[in-house]
Amino acid sequence: DTAVSQTPKYLVTQMGNDKSIKCEQNLGHDTMYWYKQDSKKFLKIMFSYNNKELIINETVPNRFSPKSPDKAHLNLHINSLELGDSAVYFCASGRASEAFFGQGTRLTVV
Amino acid sequence: DAKTTQPNSMESNEEEPVHLPCNHSTISGTDYIHWYRQLPSQGPEYVIHGLTSNVNNRMASLAIAEDRKSSTLILHRATLRDAAVYYCILRGIQGAQKLVFGQGTRLTINP
Repeated sequence: DTAVSQTPKYLVTQMGNDKSIKCEQNLGHDTMYWYKQDSKKFLKIMFSYNNKELIINETVPNRFSPKSPDKAHLNLHINSLELGDSAVYFCASGRASEAFFGQGTRLTVV
Repeated sequence: DAKTTQPNSMESNEEEPVHLPCNHSTISGTDYIHWYRQLPSQGPEYVIHGLTSNVNNRMASLAIAEDRKSSTLILHRATLRDAAVYYCILRGIQGAQKLVFGQGTRLTINP
């Protein structure tokens, strides 16, 4: 049973397109996150939701919109994709003691 | 967010102990010290965390200096599977409790 699952694992798309990445956790956590890992391998938090409410938005462009339909899901929708959006996106869920990460979605914008 | 400083890379041999250092001189009294690691092509994985006392679990041990300004992650007997980037992170108990990743230490294990 995968604790935090993301789909798709790979996503190749053209500039200007709109795409979504889905994330689901079966751990019963209240808090979920999206992180971005760029080509230099820096992991940076983008968003955090607690009980379906946005609590962290780390100056991410408006083209990125997280949506949490329920506590177990945090999806990431990206409008008007740009070349610079190419990265690996990780979803995570957690509690104060530890966070659990998904396997990542490698997004390539061409 | 309080910062941590780690060596960029370290190398060790299989079946030998590994000591990964981390400096966090600006740590506050309520910051927990967390360690995560990221294996190649995978998401980060929790390793261990502590506040003041040394901690042990099945993966590793965490030794925390008495003044809490530094800590050391100890892998008692490294295997090839332990090759990863190891991140030392300070995490407060207040607020959003986000994990702020630094550049980490890339650990190479030689057979």
